[in-house]
Amino acid sequence: DIQMTQSPSSLSASVGDRVTITCRASHSISSYLNWYQQKPGKAPRLLIYAASSLQSGVPSRFSGSGSGTDFTLTISSLQPEDFATYYCQQSSNTPPYTFGQGTKLEIK
Amino acid sequence: EVQLVQSGAEVKKPGESLRISCKGSGYSFTNFWIAWVRQMPGKGLEWMGIIYPGDSETRYSPSFQGHITMSADKSISTAYLQWSSVEASDTAMYFCARRQYLRVSWYDYYYMDVWGKGTTVTVSS
Repeated sequence: DIQMTQSPSSLSASVGDRVTITCRASHSISSYLNWYQQKPGKAPRLLIYAASSLQSGVPSRFSGSGSGTDFTLTISSLQPEDFATYYCQQSSNTPPYTFGQGTKLEIK
Repeated sequence: EVQLVQSGAEVKKPGESLRISCKGSGYSFTNFWIAWVRQMPGKGLEWMGIIYPGDSETRYSPSFQGHITMSADKSISTAYLQWSSVEASDTAMYFCARRQYLRVSWYDYYYMDVWGKGTTVTVSS
């Protein structure tokens, strides 16, 4: 199976900051990479699919980039509602579609 | 509105059987795969497997193969996740999610675009 590693595992930032979260795949996955946001007690929410495509309804301050093994999720200007845990997920070839371990974004 | 509605919280004793459900509405249920995702208390997301309600084809993660069974009843637009004998380590939140599909040139992209709210399962003696 393909392993996904996110960094950092946790991150403290302030409202208005620019934040970048990194995800690395153990093998090349082309652009088969998705990003999700999860708040405590809630279901995950799709933010980005196919590495860089913004899901409908997601604010444009979220963006994704990368291909192959290295990917990033960027939040251009943090808003109070963005404090959450973020997960990457690979969807290359056949399942399982493994997730990264998550990055918890906290208020500084 | 496209939605997945999951069954309510369950409390079971070790060794008991369990089935939880996920009912789709607002879209053609038989045309989209449904995935199941586990989240143990305070932990991350784990992809368990996926089922195609149109013909009940399934694909399990090796980590869960043999311990769970996924099924679907397309007549009532419902997918199921079941255990024949639960263990304390099955205590978790379980989410179902719709797998969306996008073809761009020669590339097939898959992502989970609609999620249920989750079913909490507690296994304790």
